[in-house]
Amino acid sequence: GAVVSQHPSWVICKSGTSVKIECRSLDFQATTMFWYRQFPKQSLMLMATSNEGSKATYEQGVEKDKFLINHASLTLSTLTVTSAHPEDSSFYICSASSLGLDYNEQFFGPGTRLTVL
Amino acid sequence: GQNIDQPTEMTATEGAIVQINCTYQTSGFNGLFWYQQHAGEAPTFLSYNVLDGLEEKGRFSSFLSRSKGYSYLLLKELQMKDSASYLCAGEDSNYQLIWGAGTKLIIKP
Repeated sequence: GAVVSQHPSWVICKSGTSVKIECRSLDFQATTMFWYRQFPKQSLMLMATSNEGSKATYEQGVEKDKFLINHASLTLSTLTVTSAHPEDSSFYICSASSLGLDYNEQFFGPGTRLTVL
Repeated sequence: GQNIDQPTEMTATEGAIVQINCTYQTSGFNGLFWYQQHAGEAPTFLSYNVLDGLEEKGRFSSFLSRSKGYSYLLLKELQMKDSASYLCAGEDSNYQLIWGAGTKLIIKP
């Protein structure tokens, strides 16, 4: 159980376009979803935390107008990278957790590799 | 401030034992996670320690000392597939995870 999917797994886009990444919890209700970014050979960097039905909480230095997060249901969160530029090229990973779990384990999606040309 | 320290890289031999250390400073402390991440993949959960002591799970064990702000991940009978990054993450009193930079473990035959 506790499977999280992400779509797409990879995407290549032109500079200036917007890209939407979906994160779904397939077999549990995710009360909280997290979005991370990971540059090559670096650790995970938390971008934002979102609770179902409320606005996402962004980490310092993350532009909320550029990285739009929507968590409309207990099984779906989306991250939209608006007006993407080459420096936004990264590995984007979502994770989900549930209040019903024994502890605050995060279940990770497989990640989305974004390349902006 | 909040901080997680772990070595950047370690090398070990196939079949041997390796211990990856992690020290943490968090605003309050609930527990400590270890995750494994292979290159190009998302992290996978290994362990979560709340109480002091050693928890064994097959070839992997994790230890926690709350008084010392210290944890380690012990990997036994190393296999080539254990080559990965190992991420230590402390959970603060708000249930936020503070991530370490990860330890890249290289296994040599």
